[in-house]
Amino acid sequence: EPEVTQTPSHQVTQMGQEVILRCVPISNHLYFYWYRQILGQKVEFLVSFYNNEISEKSEIFDDQFSVERPDGSNFTLKIRSTKLEDSAMYFCASRPGTSFDNEQFFGPGTRLTVL
Amino acid sequence: GENVEQHPSTLSVQEGDSAVIKCTYSDSASNYFPWYKQELGKGPQLIIDIRSNVGEKKDQRIAVTLNKTAKHFSLHITETQPEDSAVYFCAATFSGSARQLTFGSGTQLTVLP
Repeated sequence: EPEVTQTPSHQVTQMGQEVILRCVPISNHLYFYWYRQILGQKVEFLVSFYNNEISEKSEIFDDQFSVERPDGSNFTLKIRSTKLEDSAMYFCASRPGTSFDNEQFFGPGTRLTVL
Repeated sequence: GENVEQHPSTLSVQEGDSAVIKCTYSDSASNYFPWYKQELGKGPQLIIDIRSNVGEKKDQRIAVTLNKTAKHFSLHITETQPEDSAVYFCAATFSGSARQLTFGSGTQLTVLP
């Protein structure tokens, strides 16, 4: 069964460093998402991406964040200058994109630890 | 924007008993309500969903009910088993948007053998 994959599973970085989190969505899906989950808290929407551009973003998704689909398969989240409060699980999700397909398929997540 | 409240935050039941988790939402435009199960160290997995044109949906031991007027929806798990132990999240979205999900705060369900 096709699934969303994410790498790395765990990323440790120093405050102020740039990190890139990688995702491979399900191949025929058209909508892509990043969510984050701070330990013990709810899953929060960051950004959605469709047709090679951002379609929606939350107030969390400020100028230090960016997303890219550099080729036909990868979908990346870049954090330019990490802060301690960026420590969280980051989940990528994808959706087919047809009118009736609402289900979002989530990857296993990347645990980001900022020291 | 949408706000989803979820209760209870923790729930312990004996194996074989039923479990009920409740959520309320604020945006009357929301029309799709999925429930996700998250096991330790894994991403959320969809277990059941409901659209606003339906009041109830059932899949084996799992059912979801929706009351649009009151803006609340509930997850019902019958004949619980130890493998049902996990964190359950409700969510809401509006199909006219990019369909980003607004999640509830989660319920840690523990099924005691």
